[in-house]
Order: sequence, then structure tokens, then C-alpha cells
Amino acid sequence: DTGVSQNPRHKITKRGQNVTFRCDPISEHNRLYWYRQTLGQGPEFLTYFQNEAQLEKSRLLSDRFSAERPKGSFSTLEIQRTEQGDSAMYLCASSLALEAFFGQGTRLTVV
Amino acid sequence: GIQVEQSPPDLILQEGANSTLRCNFSDSVNNLQWFHQNPWGQLINLFYIPSGTKQNGRLSATTVATERYSLLYISSSQTTDSGVYFCAAKAAGNKLTFGGGTRVLVKP
Repeated sequence: DTGVSQNPRHKITKRGQNVTFRCDPISEHNRLYWYRQTLGQGPEFLTYFQNEAQLEKSRLLSDRFSAERPKGSFSTLEIQRTEQGDSAMYLCASSLALEAFFGQGTRLTVV
Repeated sequence: GIQVEQSPPDLILQEGANSTLRCNFSDSVNNLQWFHQNPWGQLINLFYIPSGTKQNGRLSATTVATERYSLLYISSSQTTDSGVYFCAAKAAGNKLTFGGGTRVLVKP
């Protein structure tokens, strides 16, 4: 078991471009979460999947954001028409029961 | 939703010192976790402790669920203990809510 894996680790994009991040959870973990963390703050919840079903979305997840987990395994988070305010660390976590385990994160910089 | 507050926001320690970090939460919880965020941004699991006391080496944690707080103890601190410590709690529902973190600097 290699833990939660996120790719890419870093992404620099120009404002207005679309970006997609990938998260591979710990195998057999049926729950998957996306969080966003800005500098100096704690992570903030974005969305939650149980298997392939997206069961909860934060109001932070504007209509430019979309997340999928098509086969209940890996997940993708897409941001369309990126803005400078989207610059942040995007963290993915997975769990089987209550304890969550986080990946290394994807650091997005929008220039 | 649940509110999570951590104190102090910043902590400067001399190597070898002991310290206590506090996490207050506003509702009954079914999950309480402590994390250490390393310089590269990854959240490292320290404790899963919705109630009771646990110890792991120089670190220990206690959660008093009925009084809605948790404490993280660092004993004989080392420079490698520097970083940000987060407490996160989950009440009813699916999401962990994080506190603002305690930034710890251990000086040699």
C-alpha cells in the first residue's frame, strides 16, 4: 500500500486555462475527499465521494469546479477558466471508516 | 457546521522543551484527528483520537469528548518537530473540519 497519490505535484497555469488534477486513493478505501488549502490557513472541504457517488459538495465548489470518480477508484478535479484566486494547495484524502489519510497535494499557481 | 479552534496560533520552543497544543470543538464528534504538515505540504497522521488518550513516542494526545477539547503533548521537542499542527474534527456528516493550525518552531 503506497498511500494516497496525487498528480501532478505542482502546476503553473495561465489565467483562463483549464486544469485537471488526479487522486489515487488507498486501495479499497471507498471514501474520497477533496480539500483546498490557501497560505496560512487550514484545509477547507470541497467535496466527498462514497464509491462513485458524489454525496456532498461545499459552496466553495463553484460551477467552474467539477469532480468525478467514475469507477469508484481514482478521482479527478477539474477547474475551468482558472482565476488567480484559485491558486492554492489541493489535497485529496481517502478513508475506509472514519480515519482519513491525505496525499501530498497538488500546488496550483495561476499566473 | 462544527467549529474547530486551535491555540496557540504560534509557538516557539527551545529544543528539549515540552509543550501542549489545544483544540476546542463546538459539537459532539465521531472523529478527531491530529496532523503534522511537513514543509512540502503533506498532512502526516499523528493520532486518530475521538476520545481517550494515546501515546506515540514523544507525542501523546488526549481528547475529552464530553468537554469538547483535545490536547496534543510534545515532550523533549526536537527541531524536526517544527511545522504546522492541525486538529480536525467530524460531527454528523462526512467532512473533517480543520482548525487554523498551530505553527511550531523548535530552536536548537
